[in-house]
Amino acid sequence: KQEVTQIPAALSVPEGENLVLNCSFTDSAIYNLQWFRQDPGKGLTSLLLIQSSQREQTSGRLNASLDKSSGRSTLYIAASQPGDSATYLCAVKNSGNTPLVFGKGTRLSVIA
Amino acid sequence: NAGVTQTPKFRVLKTGQSMTLLCAQDMNHEYMYWYRQDPGMGLRLIHYSVGEGTTAKGEVPDGYNVSRLKKQNFLLGLESAAPSQTSVYFCASSYVGIAEAFFGQGTRLTVV
Repeated sequence: KQEVTQIPAALSVPEGENLVLNCSFTDSAIYNLQWFRQDPGKGLTSLLLIQSSQREQTSGRLNASLDKSSGRSTLYIAASQPGDSATYLCAVKNSGNTPLVFGKGTRLSVIA
Repeated sequence: NAGVTQTPKFRVLKTGQSMTLLCAQDMNHEYMYWYRQDPGMGLRLIHYSVGEGTTAKGEVPDGYNVSRLKKQNFLLGLESAAPSQTSVYFCASSYVGIAEAFFGQGTRLTVV
């Protein structure tokens, strides 16, 4: 059974810092991995999708990397801003027709 | 473009009452999912559907039923609500295979 872990559960940083959020998964034979953002009381917004054949994806100040062999992904946020404060969720898909399995998220606070 | 729409957004039920949550997507996605999100537990899959007329159980299916009579709609039913079903419910949809999942804004359900 696939299990996804995100460490740390919460993180507080001053504005302007570069930071890394971690995601690990137990079954390395994944199909793809997706990073989401969730604001309080809101739904999930997709940030980046990495296919199993890819090593990284970038969108603006966000960069997600994937190392299948070690069962890890990282989400790098450059020059953090207070508007980046949210919960970040990692989810993996084991095959094309299986649902996403989620980690419990990292709650990020960026302090002005 | 509405994306994934959940109805209702909020609901309070008494123990033993029944209700149906509606999820509608306008992206012609084959796959649809129902998750529940609880503090400290993350997102857990209740039921999912890989196409019109098909449904499958997820991680926590007990106490829920689903139907997918039309491709664009996925209904989640609670036949006899229990306080343990107090949660935030999220619907999601995606294309087959290599595709990102899109989420609705959630339904906050309280069972008293």
